[in-house]
Amino acid sequence: ETGVTQTPRHLVMGMTNKKSLKCEQHLGHNAMYWYKQSAKKPLELMFVYSLEERVENNSVPSRFSPECPNSSHLFLHLHTLQPEDSALYLCASSQTPLAGDNEQFFGPGTRLTVL
Amino acid sequence: LAKTTQPISMDSYEGQEVNITCSHNNIATNDYITWYQQFPSQGPRFIIQGYKTKVTNEVASLFIPADRKSSTLSLPRVSLSDTAVYYCLVGDPGITGFQKLVFGTGTRLLVSP
Repeated sequence: ETGVTQTPRHLVMGMTNKKSLKCEQHLGHNAMYWYKQSAKKPLELMFVYSLEERVENNSVPSRFSPECPNSSHLFLHLHTLQPEDSALYLCASSQTPLAGDNEQFFGPGTRLTVL
Repeated sequence: LAKTTQPISMDSYEGQEVNITCSHNNIATNDYITWYQQFPSQGPRFIIQGYKTKVTNEVASLFIPADRKSSTLSLPRVSLSDTAVYYCLVGDPGITGFQKLVFGTGTRLLVSP
């Protein structure tokens, strides 16, 4: 247990569906992140939130919409996805956003399959 | 951006010591070096972090030469459960930006009986 939980663990959706991924951290951290990990590719940082404010957006398509209602919860809303969006989506948290000396705590991930 | 370069894969046997080296020729003065471990279908897990010389914890050691242009993660007496992908990251605690948190392709370590 890392203190970061994600639901659901597995999700299958069609290209016309709308779904949401949820992340919760129980560590009192100020920063939360969404990463995408496709098969045999490096982790890609998608979004960063610091104290509920989006810090950076790494040019992610608009079909991915993040939401951070409070410092403990992070959502990723999905709509009209493409098959190439199938991947493992990981949530992480750290005390300070994007700080090179901060340990990031990752959740178990959501395995997303887009049909 | 301090880009990192690691071997794509390594093989070892149980009980051996494994050393994984990461090159980061453009490391900046304030950058820290951090290593993560990732098992299949799980998120990465922090292993160790250092700035210079040697750091040791209960699972690994990190060796950093004086010029800091490389670092070596040392895993003593590996077991089958150490089979995973190992990532090296460098980042400055004082500068924000996406470029700081770039996970490379990592090194895939396979430990055999």
